[in-house]
Amino acid sequence: GESVGLHLPTLSVQEGDNSIINCAYSNSASDYFIWYKQESGKGPQFIIDIRSNMDKRQGQRVTVLLNKTVKHLSLQIAATQPGDSAVYFCAETEGGYQKVTFGIGTKLQVIP
Amino acid sequence: GAVVSQHPSRVICKSGTSVKIECRSLDFQATTMFWYRQFPKQSLMLMATSNEGSKATYEQGVEKDKFLINHASLTLSTLTVTSAHPEDSSFYICSARDDREAFFGQGTRLTVV
Repeated sequence: GESVGLHLPTLSVQEGDNSIINCAYSNSASDYFIWYKQESGKGPQFIIDIRSNMDKRQGQRVTVLLNKTVKHLSLQIAATQPGDSAVYFCAETEGGYQKVTFGIGTKLQVIP
Repeated sequence: GAVVSQHPSRVICKSGTSVKIECRSLDFQATTMFWYRQFPKQSLMLMATSNEGSKATYEQGVEKDKFLINHASLTLSTLTVTSAHPEDSSFYICSARDDREAFFGQGTRLTVV
């Protein structure tokens, strides 16, 4: 379920299931989008990126979908594993990595 | 991949003192470095952007006299929190950019007591 206010939205999934994390971005001029994974007490770790001229990109176990019409990004994780438990942030930038703006984040909890 | 080293990883200081945080790009030259602050259960908020040899550009609401940024070389940027107060306690993260992408440090947990 989700909670608001001072708490990050939380997504709980069973190990082995697929996870879908959603993100709404704000700047219609953004042309490059990145998903980051952040484990507790660590810096963000790059997962996958996508440029605005694409609507889908696949990596190993992860897929990013981009819908520019509604300014929406999603991250799909296949066969979710306990090691995937972390906070996931979408980020947007305009004109390359001039200034990366982060979304609010979603906490993914994988239930063994 | 490229490595960005941030030091120290944790620091506790007394209220009123200053703390310096270093950010180094270990195997590439960073044309631009970014400093972020992250409060618990919140997102990363950009504080400032610095280019080597020039003054940093601060985001709205960030006090440039309190958060001093020096980017003296293509591999090192420092953030000094001056006259720190408990409300400055936070997780500070740097990012270094080469020609293609940005890489993040592991963050510095600052606690002001």
